[in-house]
Amino acid sequence: GAGVSQSPSNKVTEKGKDVELRCDPISGHTALYWYRQSLGQGLEFLIYFQGNSAPDKSGLPSDRFSAERTGGSVSTLTIQRTQQEDSAVYLCASSLRTGDGFYEQYFGPGTRLTVT
Amino acid sequence: DQQVKQNSPSLSVQEGRISILNCDYTNSMFDYFLWYKKYPAEGPTFLISISSIKDKNEDGRFTVFLNKSAKHLSLHIVPSQPGDSAVYFCAALGNSGYALNFGKGTSLLVTP
Repeated sequence: GAGVSQSPSNKVTEKGKDVELRCDPISGHTALYWYRQSLGQGLEFLIYFQGNSAPDKSGLPSDRFSAERTGGSVSTLTIQRTQQEDSAVYLCASSLRTGDGFYEQYFGPGTRLTVT
Repeated sequence: DQQVKQNSPSLSVQEGRISILNCDYTNSMFDYFLWYKKYPAEGPTFLISISSIKDKNEDGRFTVFLNKSAKHLSLHIVPSQPGDSAVYFCAALGNSGYALNFGKGTSLLVTP
Protein backbone atom coordinates (compact mmCIF):
# COMPACT_ATOMS: atom_id res chain seq x y z
CA GLY A 1 0.00 0.00 0.00
CA ALA A 2 0.97 3.65 -0.31
CA GLY A 3 3.26 5.01 2.34
CA VAL A 4 3.77 8.55 3.57
CA SER A 5 4.59 10.88 0.70
CA GLN A 6 6.19 14.30 0.87
CA SER A 7 6.68 17.03 -1.67
CA PRO A 8 8.83 18.51 -2.93
CA SER A 9 11.71 16.11 -2.42
CA ASN A 10 14.17 18.99 -2.70
CA LYS A 11 13.69 22.71 -2.29
CA VAL A 12 16.25 25.45 -2.71
CA THR A 13 15.16 28.89 -1.64
CA GLU A 14 16.69 32.27 -1.01
CA LYS A 15 17.02 33.61 2.50
CA GLY A 16 13.94 35.59 3.46
CA LYS A 17 11.51 33.73 1.22
CA ASP A 18 8.61 31.64 2.51
CA VAL A 19 8.36 27.91 1.80
CA GLU A 20 5.62 25.31 2.08
CA LEU A 21 6.31 21.63 2.56
CA ARG A 22 3.57 19.06 2.03
CA CYS A 23 2.89 15.71 3.65
CA ASP A 24 0.36 13.07 2.61
CA PRO A 25 0.00 10.55 5.44
CA ILE A 26 -1.01 6.93 5.15
CA SER A 27 -4.76 6.68 4.64
CA GLY A 28 -6.56 6.07 7.90
CA HIS A 29 -3.74 7.27 10.12
CA THR A 30 -5.10 9.77 12.60
CA ALA A 31 -1.77 10.98 13.97
CA LEU A 32 0.73 13.04 11.99
CA TYR A 33 4.17 14.25 13.05
CA TRP A 34 6.79 16.59 11.66
CA TYR A 35 10.47 16.19 12.48
CA ARG A 36 13.57 17.78 11.03
CA GLN A 37 17.15 16.60 10.75
CA SER A 38 19.78 19.26 10.52
CA LEU A 39 23.25 18.34 9.27
CA GLY A 40 25.03 16.09 11.76
CA GLN A 41 22.08 16.00 14.12
CA GLY A 42 19.40 13.54 15.07
CA LEU A 43 15.77 13.97 14.17
CA GLU A 44 14.14 16.77 16.14
CA PHE A 45 10.42 16.72 16.92
CA LEU A 46 8.54 19.74 15.61
CA ILE A 47 4.76 19.26 15.82
CA TYR A 48 2.10 16.60 16.35
CA PHE A 49 -1.49 16.40 15.13
CA GLN A 50 -4.02 13.89 16.41
CA GLY A 51 -7.54 13.84 15.05
CA ASN A 52 -9.45 17.00 15.89
CA SER A 53 -7.38 17.78 18.98
CA ALA A 54 -5.29 20.91 19.24
CA PRO A 55 -1.82 20.20 17.84
CA ASP A 56 1.24 19.94 20.06
CA LYS A 57 3.46 22.71 18.68
CA SER A 58 6.03 22.54 21.46
CA GLY A 59 8.88 21.55 19.12
CA LEU A 60 8.54 24.42 16.65
CA PRO A 61 11.82 26.40 16.88
CA SER A 62 10.38 29.86 16.25
CA ASP A 63 7.19 31.67 15.32
CA ARG A 64 8.32 31.65 11.70
CA PHE A 65 7.27 28.00 11.65
CA SER A 66 3.63 26.94 11.41
CA ALA A 67 1.75 23.86 10.30
CA GLU A 68 -1.76 22.90 9.54
CA ARG A 69 -3.60 19.72 8.79
CA THR A 70 -6.65 20.05 6.60
CA GLY A 71 -9.50 17.60 6.83
CA GLY A 72 -7.53 15.33 9.11
CA SER A 73 -5.32 14.26 6.25
CA VAL A 74 -2.79 16.33 4.30
CA SER A 75 -0.48 18.57 6.29
CA THR A 76 1.52 21.61 5.27
CA LEU A 77 4.54 22.94 7.14
CA THR A 78 5.19 26.60 6.39
CA ILE A 79 8.43 28.43 7.13
CA GLN A 80 8.27 32.19 6.76
CA ARG A 81 11.28 34.43 6.10
CA THR A 82 13.61 31.44 5.83
CA GLN A 83 17.06 31.62 7.39
CA GLN A 84 20.15 29.60 6.57
CA GLU A 85 19.82 27.66 9.83
CA ASP A 86 16.48 26.35 8.55
CA SER A 87 18.39 24.20 6.05
CA ALA A 88 17.60 20.60 6.97
CA VAL A 89 15.69 17.52 5.92
CA TYR A 90 12.07 17.83 7.04
CA LEU A 91 10.45 14.49 7.72
CA CYS A 92 6.78 13.72 8.13
CA ALA A 93 5.44 10.61 9.82
CA SER A 94 2.00 9.21 10.48
CA SER A 95 0.55 6.55 12.71
CA LEU A 96 -2.61 5.07 14.01
CA ARG A 97 -3.53 6.26 17.46
CA THR A 98 -6.49 4.78 19.25
CA GLY A 99 -5.34 5.07 22.84
CA ASP A 100 -2.33 5.32 25.11
CA GLY A 101 0.96 3.66 24.37
CA PHE A 102 3.35 3.87 21.48
CA TYR A 103 2.15 3.47 17.91
CA GLU A 104 4.69 2.83 15.19
CA GLN A 105 5.47 5.97 13.25
CA TYR A 106 5.85 5.53 9.49
CA PHE A 107 8.13 8.10 7.94
CA GLY A 108 8.09 9.70 4.54
CA PRO A 109 11.29 10.21 2.50
CA GLY A 110 11.62 13.82 3.61
CA THR A 111 12.04 17.18 1.94
CA ARG A 112 15.59 18.50 1.76
CA LEU A 113 15.44 22.26 2.24
CA THR A 114 18.43 24.40 1.35
CA VAL A 115 18.35 28.10 2.16
CA THR A 116 20.96 30.11 0.24
CA ASP B 1 20.50 19.45 24.72
CA GLN B 2 20.94 15.99 23.28
CA GLN B 3 19.09 13.55 25.54
CA VAL B 4 19.85 10.53 23.37
CA LYS B 5 23.46 10.03 22.37
CA GLN B 6 25.09 7.75 19.86
CA ASN B 7 28.77 8.36 20.29
CA SER B 8 29.98 6.29 17.35
CA PRO B 9 29.22 8.04 14.06
CA SER B 10 30.29 5.00 12.08
CA LEU B 11 31.00 1.29 12.39
CA SER B 12 32.45 -1.21 9.91
CA VAL B 13 31.90 -4.93 10.34
CA GLN B 14 32.65 -7.97 8.22
CA GLU B 15 29.77 -9.98 6.84
CA GLY B 16 28.79 -12.80 9.18
CA ARG B 17 30.21 -11.10 12.29
CA ILE B 18 28.26 -9.34 15.04
CA SER B 19 27.45 -5.64 14.82
CA ILE B 20 26.96 -3.83 18.12
CA LEU B 21 25.53 -0.33 18.07
CA ASN B 22 25.40 1.63 21.29
CA CYS B 23 23.16 4.34 22.64
CA ASP B 24 23.09 6.33 25.89
CA TYR B 25 20.35 8.52 27.27
CA THR B 26 20.17 11.09 30.03
CA ASN B 27 16.46 11.40 30.81
CA SER B 28 15.32 8.84 33.39
CA MET B 29 11.68 9.50 32.40
CA PHE B 30 12.14 7.76 29.07
CA ASP B 31 10.20 4.50 29.21
CA TYR B 32 10.26 3.12 25.70
CA PHE B 33 13.16 2.80 23.32
CA LEU B 34 13.35 2.12 19.61
CA TRP B 35 15.84 1.54 16.85
CA TYR B 36 15.20 2.88 13.36
CA LYS B 37 17.10 2.03 10.20
CA LYS B 38 17.56 4.52 7.39
CA TYR B 39 18.74 4.03 3.83
CA PRO B 40 19.81 7.05 1.72
CA ALA B 41 16.92 9.08 0.27
CA GLU B 42 14.39 7.14 2.34
CA GLY B 43 12.68 7.84 5.62
CA PRO B 44 13.64 5.92 8.75
CA THR B 45 11.91 2.57 9.21
CA PHE B 46 11.15 0.98 12.54
CA LEU B 47 13.37 -1.97 13.40
CA ILE B 48 12.89 -3.07 16.99
CA SER B 49 11.81 -1.65 20.33
CA ILE B 50 12.02 -2.34 24.04
CA SER B 51 9.98 -1.25 27.01
CA SER B 52 11.73 -0.05 30.15
CA ILE B 53 10.28 -2.99 32.08
CA LYS B 54 12.37 -5.40 30.02
CA ASP B 55 16.10 -5.80 29.59
CA LYS B 56 16.12 -7.69 26.29
CA ASN B 57 14.02 -8.00 23.17
CA GLU B 58 14.86 -10.24 20.25
CA ASP B 59 13.54 -10.32 16.70
CA GLY B 60 15.36 -12.64 14.35
CA ARG B 61 18.91 -11.41 13.84
CA PHE B 62 18.24 -8.26 15.88
CA THR B 63 18.42 -8.02 19.67
CA VAL B 64 18.13 -4.91 21.78
CA PHE B 65 19.50 -4.83 25.32
CA LEU B 66 18.54 -2.23 27.89
CA ASN B 67 20.52 -1.39 31.03
CA LYS B 68 18.35 1.09 32.91
CA SER B 69 20.78 1.70 35.73
CA ALA B 70 23.44 2.71 33.22
CA LYS B 71 20.94 4.46 30.94
CA HIS B 72 22.38 2.49 28.08
CA LEU B 73 20.98 0.37 25.31
CA SER B 74 22.56 -1.54 22.49
CA LEU B 75 21.48 -3.17 19.26
CA HIS B 76 23.10 -6.45 18.27
CA ILE B 77 22.88 -7.72 14.72
CA VAL B 78 24.07 -11.26 14.19
CA PRO B 79 25.06 -12.39 11.68
CA SER B 80 25.57 -9.08 9.90
CA GLN B 81 24.73 -8.94 6.21
CA PRO B 82 25.71 -6.40 3.52
CA GLY B 83 22.04 -5.37 3.28
CA ASP B 84 22.25 -4.19 6.88
CA SER B 85 24.47 -1.33 5.75
CA ALA B 86 22.48 1.79 6.69
CA VAL B 87 22.27 4.52 9.31
CA TYR B 88 20.79 3.30 12.59
CA PHE B 89 19.02 5.74 14.89
CA CYS B 90 18.32 5.14 18.53
CA ALA B 91 15.16 6.86 19.79
CA ALA B 92 13.42 7.23 23.13
CA LEU B 93 9.83 8.01 24.03
CA GLY B 94 9.12 10.39 26.86
CA ASN B 95 6.14 11.64 28.76
CA SER B 96 4.22 12.80 25.71
CA GLY B 97 3.79 9.23 24.52
CA TYR B 98 4.37 10.24 20.93
CA ALA B 99 7.33 12.64 20.48
CA LEU B 100 10.46 10.63 19.76
CA ASN B 101 13.88 11.84 20.89
CA PHE B 102 16.51 10.66 18.42
CA GLY B 103 20.25 10.22 18.58
CA LYS B 104 22.47 11.44 15.74
CA GLY B 105 22.74 7.99 14.21
CA THR B 106 25.48 5.45 13.54
CA SER B 107 26.38 4.58 9.97
CA LEU B 108 26.94 0.83 9.72
CA LEU B 109 28.91 -0.64 6.84
CA VAL B 110 28.92 -4.42 6.47
CA THR B 111 31.66 -5.53 4.12
CA PRO B 112 31.57 -8.82 2.18
